[in-house]
Amino acid sequence: RKEVEQDPGPFNVPEGATVAFNCTYSNSASQSFFWYRQDCRKEPKLLMSVYSSGNEDGRFTAQLNRASQYISLLIRDSKLSDSATYLCVVTSGSSASKIIFGSGTRLSIRP
Amino acid sequence: NAGVTQTPKFRVLKTGQSMTLLCAQDMNHEYMYWYRQDPGMGLRLIHYSVGEGTTAKGEVPDGYNVSRLKKQNFLLGLESAAPSQTSVYFCASSYPGLTYEQYFGPGTRLTVT
Repeated sequence: RKEVEQDPGPFNVPEGATVAFNCTYSNSASQSFFWYRQDCRKEPKLLMSVYSSGNEDGRFTAQLNRASQYISLLIRDSKLSDSATYLCVVTSGSSASKIIFGSGTRLSIRP
Repeated sequence: NAGVTQTPKFRVLKTGQSMTLLCAQDMNHEYMYWYRQDPGMGLRLIHYSVGEGTTAKGEVPDGYNVSRLKKQNFLLGLESAAPSQTSVYFCASSYPGLTYEQYFGPGTRLTVT
């Protein structure tokens, strides 16, 4: 079983829709959680952190469920520019080797 | 401020050839990383460095070597390329206490035939 699993998608939704996807992790000792965004044939970039209390940044909301060991990303009023692959990142410490990247969920927003 | 740069951007190698990928960062970051990204596999850590002159193995180090002679540069070497090393290689850097906030280079697309 992978340490971090994501539905690869693609999620294909119309502009203006709300879309959500999850990421599950297997290590109960995982400490910190993040979402990265990766545009097609580009490098990943940090999108937002995920806190137990939830984290909202404009149209984006990230949440953590420690009991069920998953994090989620919700995008409201989706824009064409939101089309990208979203990578879930889980850390189990501050060491450079303790960061696990998920394989990503591909999102495509259609006009 | 260029951030993280990688050279070359593309390369085709024949099996058994060698090459070095260069990563440079101008953000004065202590930590630097080399990842490979394959379809369905996510980013996998090859090697990393927590400072000038230090390197450590990541998840998939076999077939690769690295060197960090200067703080701003991190080199990834393939001594004898194999088709299984066909991948996109990303370099990244970060501050020590912020290992989750990594800044990535644009990537190198390597094909080994």
